[in-house]
Amino acid sequence: SQQGEEDPQALSIQEGENATMNCSYKTSINNLQWYRQNSGRGLVHLILIRSNEREKHSGRLRVTLDTSKKSSSLLITASRAADTASYFCATEGGSARQLTFGSGTQLTVLP
Amino acid sequence: GAGVSQSPSNKVTEKGKDVELRCDPISGHTALYWYRQSLGQGLEFLIYFQGNSAPDKSGLPSDRFSAERTGGSVSTLTIQRTQQEDSAVYLCASRLTDGTGYTFGSGTRLTVV
Repeated sequence: SQQGEEDPQALSIQEGENATMNCSYKTSINNLQWYRQNSGRGLVHLILIRSNEREKHSGRLRVTLDTSKKSSSLLITASRAADTASYFCATEGGSARQLTFGSGTQLTVLP
Repeated sequence: GAGVSQSPSNKVTEKGKDVELRCDPISGHTALYWYRQSLGQGLEFLIYFQGNSAPDKSGLPSDRFSAERTGGSVSTLTIQRTQQEDSAVYLCASRLTDGTGYTFGSGTRLTVV
């Protein structure tokens, strides 16, 4: 079953704008991760935020985590056409050692 | 190796045939995962290997699916008597320790005709 649910399902913006994607989940977690996927093949790990962290930055990426609301957001600043991809959140929690993925947000950055 | 390697990259098979998919994880990564992704969908967990522990097979959809990991390194996912609903991209991932990100392979696109 899907643990994380992203919204929006699809997002289209102009190059240079910021893109914000949201993720909600249902059960307690140890950490939440964001991945990027191009062309329906391998995923690339972007950033991991632990349950005791509230915000994390990596380059143009900013991730927030609100465990009281069971939600996270991924902000990509100053977007580029090359950021066009699907973005997935995934949660890891409890005794399970596998990530549970949401259904993803398809981001299109128009040049 | 430098990354997770999967083979073949594409496989077309006839319904009812068996297929084997291979995954070479990053050297030294003790944890290995198989996921599958149907068109436009999120990833569905299949099976997880960690060192010499018994694998977590809780995600395997039926007894037609099996996987093994030899010598704590290479893994093969076998699908017997393939069905059309088995068509998907099968992704392998490895990681060094709990609480870190996964490194994914490029996947095997399986098409059952």
